Amino acid sequence: EPEVTQTPSHQVTQMGQEVILRCVPISNHLYFYWYRQILGQKVEFLVSFYNNEISEKSEIFDDQFSVERPDGSNFTLKIRSTKLEDSAMYFCASRTFGKYEQYFGPGTRLTVT
Amino acid sequence: KQEVTQIPAALSVPEGENLVLNCSFTDSAIYNLQWFRQDPGKGLTSLLLIQSSQREQTSGRLNASLDKSSGRSTLYIAASQPGDSATYLCAVIISSGSARQLTFGSGTQLTVLP
Repeated sequence: EPEVTQTPSHQVTQMGQEVILRCVPISNHLYFYWYRQILGQKVEFLVSFYNNEISEKSEIFDDQFSVERPDGSNFTLKIRSTKLEDSAMYFCASRTFGKYEQYFGPGTRLTVT
Repeated sequence: KQEVTQIPAALSVPEGENLVLNCSFTDSAIYNLQWFRQDPGKGLTSLLLIQSSQREQTSGRLNASLDKSSGRSTLYIAASQPGDSATYLCAVIISSGSARQLTFGSGTQLTVLP
């Protein structure tokens, strides 16, 4: 069964460094999402991406963040100048056109020290 | 702003018991509602999706209901098993906006005791 994959599973970085989190959505899906979950808190929406552009973003998704679909398979989240409070589990999700069930990847645990 | 609440935050039951998990949302203008399972340190597994026009959905031992007017959904788990132990999350998609992003509750942590 097709699934969303994410790499790396765990990333440790120092404060102020840039990180890129990678996702490979399900191949025929057209809508892509990033969510994050700070330890012990709710899963929060960050950004959605469709037709090679951001379709919606939350107030969390400020200039520190960017997303890109560099080729036909990968979907990336870049965090510039990481802060301690960026430590969280980051989930990628995707869905197909006309259906609203979102499929999530296993997540990347980001630890900023 | 849509708020999603799940009660109880934690639930412990003996194996074999039937149980109900509750989810409530403040804005009834939802497009659909999705239930997920999350195992510790892992991703989210979609269990059921109910469209706003539906009243319930079933998958195996799971049955989810939706009452839009009262802003409530329940997830019924029949004949619970230790393997059902996990955190169960509900999430709604609001009707406005093309992105159809999910707004999540904080989850119910279920423990099924052997």
